[in-house]
This record gives sequence, C-alpha cells and structure tokens, in this order.
Amino acid sequence: DVKVTQSSRYLVKRTGEKVFLECVQDMDHENMFWYRQDPGLGLRLIYFSYDVKMKEKGDIPEGYSVSREKKERFSLILESASTNQTSMYLCASSPGMSGSLTGELFFGEGSRLTVL
Amino acid sequence: AQSVTQLDSQVPVFEEAPVELRCNYSSSVSVYLFWYVQYPNQGLQLLLKYLSGSTLVKGINGFEAEFNKSQTSFHLRKPSVHISDTAEYFCAVKEQTGNQFYFGTGTSLTVIP
Repeated sequence: DVKVTQSSRYLVKRTGEKVFLECVQDMDHENMFWYRQDPGLGLRLIYFSYDVKMKEKGDIPEGYSVSREKKERFSLILESASTNQTSMYLCASSPGMSGSLTGELFFGEGSRLTVL
Repeated sequence: AQSVTQLDSQVPVFEEAPVELRCNYSSSVSVYLFWYVQYPNQGLQLLLKYLSGSTLVKGINGFEAEFNKSQTSFHLRKPSVHISDTAEYFCAVKEQTGNQFYFGTGTSLTVIP
C-alpha cells in the first residue's frame, strides 16, 4: 500500500524555536509538496519540489524553508517559529508526468503544530 | 493561477437524504478535476477524479461528480448519505500541463441522524 509518512502528528513548540517537519514517501514519486491547512482558508501551498535538491515557492513561503536531499524525503523548516504558524501541516507527493497522466496527490496524515 | 470556489462552507443534511456539494473553477485551459475527503484528524484521501471522457465520474463510497465544461463546474453528489460521510470535502484543479494543484476552501458535510 502506498504511503506518505509524516514524522510527528502533534507538536508543541515555543516562539523562536527552530522546527523540523519530516515527510517520507515510499512510492518513488518525483514531486513532493508542503501545504498548510487553516479553517476557512483551505489548503495553501508553502513549497514544492519536483526533483532532489530542487524547490519552488508556493503561495505562502514566508517564514519557511525546505530541504530535499533524497528523493523520498522532504523536510519543512520553520527557522524561528511564531504563533501565527500554529496550524495543520500536510505533506503530499505525486508522480511526475512520466509516471502518471494525472499526477494525483497522495497525502500524509498531517502534523498539527502549536506554537506558544 | 487557478481559482477554485466551493460556495458552501457548511452543509448539514439528514441521514439517507441526497446531497450536492458545489465546486466551480476559473480555468480556461484543459484541467484535471478532483474531489478529496478529509475525516477528522486525518490527511486527505482521493474520492474521485475527472481526466477526460464521460462527464459523469463515479468514486468511492457511492459518490459521483459531473463535469460541466461550459459552466466550469464539478459538483459532487450522493443519493443517500450515511453518518460516516461526515467529513470535510475539498475540490481541486490541476492544469494538464502543470504540477500544481489548486484547492477550494472546503465544505464541511455534517450528516444528522
């Protein structure tokens, strides 16, 4: 069964701390995404990556960075967490055009981050 | 960039009644269309997708959706809902030549016993 695994389901951090959210997929997908989900705002794209060491900014990249050193792993980094980054973070992956006509998304279970 | 509109943020419906969740998008180019479902404290799961061909698409759990190109809509329907259908539903659009997905803000479906 295909799987996207996010390392932490729930995290509580303090303002100013550095936060790492890890995501691993076992489907050999080229594309990986980080979304933020907030009530009434739906899913907003933070960053995505279409290849190892490649990254593209999404709609709300400010305050975030990402790392993709291996194909299966995509990390989201909050350099200095702030209270307005309290949210649900969703990782997703999709095959590239060579692997799938549609490139549909497969999601992890989500990481709920609270910044105090 | 695409714009995806889910007009109804909350839809309450009685058990065994029919339901329609509405989705409109802005694209003038060829797109793929998706509905995802999110149960409480979980990630999103694919419910169904439209790629091409027949405009009526059937998905899991008895859901179906109809693609209407002239109205740029992709409404989700189920003839008889269960309590277990209570969840958040997201419509998503992807341009056929792109990698990005564009999501609506979601519709919270609550099935009342």
